[in-house]
Amino acid sequence: AQSVTQLGSHVSVSEGALVLLRCNYSSSVPPYLFWYVQYPNKGLQLLLKYTSAATLVKGINGFEAEFKKSETSFHLTKPSAHMSDAAEYFCAVSGSGGSYIPTFGRGTSLIVHP
Amino acid sequence: DVKVTQSSRYLVKRTGEKVFLECVQDMDHENMFWYRQDPGLGLRLIYFSYDVKMKEKGDIPEGYSVSREKKERFSLILESASTNQTSMYLCASRVYTGELFFGEGSRLTVL
Repeated sequence: AQSVTQLGSHVSVSEGALVLLRCNYSSSVPPYLFWYVQYPNKGLQLLLKYTSAATLVKGINGFEAEFKKSETSFHLTKPSAHMSDAAEYFCAVSGSGGSYIPTFGRGTSLIVHP
Repeated sequence: DVKVTQSSRYLVKRTGEKVFLECVQDMDHENMFWYRQDPGLGLRLIYFSYDVKMKEKGDIPEGYSVSREKKERFSLILESASTNQTSMYLCASRVYTGELFFGEGSRLTVL
């Protein structure tokens, strides 16, 4: 079985500050890991994904995430928050092969203060 | 660009009505999914389909059924809507590299 834990349902930062959204996973097979973003009243869109290539993954809008197998983590970061980053962020895991059904975390709402 | 289109953005139905939520993708993807999104609960998988006429139950299939008669179309059916099915419903299709492409969602209110 696979699962995803996102620490913190809400994260609040000031504009220009570092963004750190935490994601820990469990998976019985080598995982594929994803971060998605959801803007208000929209569907989810892919920010970035890890699929066993480089452990540091760069995504859109200046976000990146680092896969740490020893910590079973895939935290999302951005050096400098922008007001337009305010959204809901979801971490997801899926296994390779037969366990490909993605499992999502409960989401973290990023609030950016001016 | 991949496009996943959900036919209705907002619906209001009465308890006991039959509800159809339609989803169409334009990239010939084999795998399609229906999720339900509720505050604090994230996305929960209702049903998925790995090919035409193939379907599998997800984590919360009770009260729902699905239909996939053509590869591009995956429909979610609520046979008799209830107030606890008021929610945001998200359809997605999956590319071979693993990521999902989502529609914009259908917000259903059952009165």
